[in-house]
Amino acid sequence: DIQMTQSPSSLSASVGDRVTITCRASQSINNYLNWYQQKPGKAPQLLIYAASSLQSGVPSRFSGSGSGTFFTLTISSLQVEDFATYFCQQSYRAPRTFGQGSKVEIK
Amino acid sequence: EVQLVESGGTLVQPGGSLRLSCGASGFTFSSHSMNWVRQAPGKGLEWISYISSTTATVYYADSVKGRFTISRDNAKNSVYLQMNSLRVEDTAVYYCARDAMTTIPRFDSWGQGTLVTVSS
Repeated sequence: DIQMTQSPSSLSASVGDRVTITCRASQSINNYLNWYQQKPGKAPQLLIYAASSLQSGVPSRFSGSGSGTFFTLTISSLQVEDFATYFCQQSYRAPRTFGQGSKVEIK
Repeated sequence: EVQLVESGGTLVQPGGSLRLSCGASGFTFSSHSMNWVRQAPGKGLEWISYISSTTATVYYADSVKGRFTISRDNAKNSVYLQMNSLRVEDTAVYYCARDAMTTIPRFDSWGQGTLVTVSS
């Protein structure tokens, strides 16, 4: 199975901060990388697909980059509604494994 | 509007069985592959099963292989997860998730989840 490792597992940030979360794959997955946001008690929502494509309706402050084994999710200016947990997921090969999650908390 | 609604979650004893359902609306269900993803309390996301639009292809995570069976009824716009030989570690919220119809698979719509608790 392809292992996905996110960093950091949690971080504290302030409104307006630039936040970057990284995701590493245990082998090359080209650009088969998706990012999801999950708020407490809610289902995950797709943010970014194919490493850098913004899902419809997602604010442009979210962006993704990377290919191969290293990927990043960046929030350019953190908003109150962005405090949540973020998961990366590879869709290159079954099983479609997720990273362990990165929780963004209010400083 | 795309909607996915899971049902069937409940408290069940270890070794028991349960069938989850996910009803879909707002899109052409028969054109999309579907998945089940679970999340144990306070833990991350775990993909557990996939079924293609025509049911020709199914996949399972090793953790549920041989115990869980995914199926679908395109006439009823529904996907199911039959869970047998349940274990305490199967306790989780179970989500159904739709695959987008593209070359890069992704879960573009999710249900609200249904809670399965395995406990004596």
